[in-house]
Amino acid sequence: QLQLQESGPGLVKPSETLSLTCTVSGGSISSSSYYWGWIRRPPGKGLEWIGSIYYGGSTYYNPSLKSRVTISVDTSKNQFSLKLSSVTAADTAVYYCARLAWDFAVSLRYFNSWGQGTLVTVSS
Amino acid sequence: QLVLTQSPSASASLGASVKLTCTLSSGHSSYAIAWHQQQPEKGPRYLMKVNSDGSHSKGDGILDRFSGSSSGAERYLTISSLQSEDEADYYCQTWGTGIVIFGGGTKLTVL
Repeated sequence: QLQLQESGPGLVKPSETLSLTCTVSGGSISSSSYYWGWIRRPPGKGLEWIGSIYYGGSTYYNPSLKSRVTISVDTSKNQFSLKLSSVTAADTAVYYCARLAWDFAVSLRYFNSWGQGTLVTVSS
Repeated sequence: QLVLTQSPSASASLGASVKLTCTLSSGHSSYAIAWHQQQPEKGPRYLMKVNSDGSHSKGDGILDRFSGSSSGAERYLTISSLQSEDEADYYCQTWGTGIVIFGGGTKLTVL
């Protein structure tokens, strides 16, 4: 059974870079069928997609965050990572990693497996 | 612009049924969507895909009480025989050209 586990610091100072890693177990991150993604949920708000990556390195980013986001993949460790630069209090959120599947018949990419999430607070 | 619209809240009684709606923006009525459930203090869980023709495909282990349907630009999630554990936030999600889009979510209260 596929499992995704987020890890990283729970507290980041304003203007610094938030760094998180997602470790995938029970399946290979190098599967040709999937992208892998980061999503966040700020307190009191809904889900916001951050970006997604393929094992080969191609990426999609949310246009509203693109200038500050870098997502990378390490196939040898079955992990992918998120870096978000120049953070402010508005970046305080629970961050989730997830697997993004592709239904070719209806041109739908959709998240079909999620991690439990990790809270990141931006504060001095 | 591709947008998904959901009512912020819904409520129904224990044992009853409820139908949640996700509306696709104009010009996008042919899009398929996915439904996700997020119970309090938990990570989201994928429920199902719903296509424009009303067909749906559920995720592993999703109970028969959950079903999907469509009408025009609307995509529905119906939950029957409501249980207390169904009290959660429900999000629809789709795929645009290179971007993932979420609806704003519906908070379901089971009375």
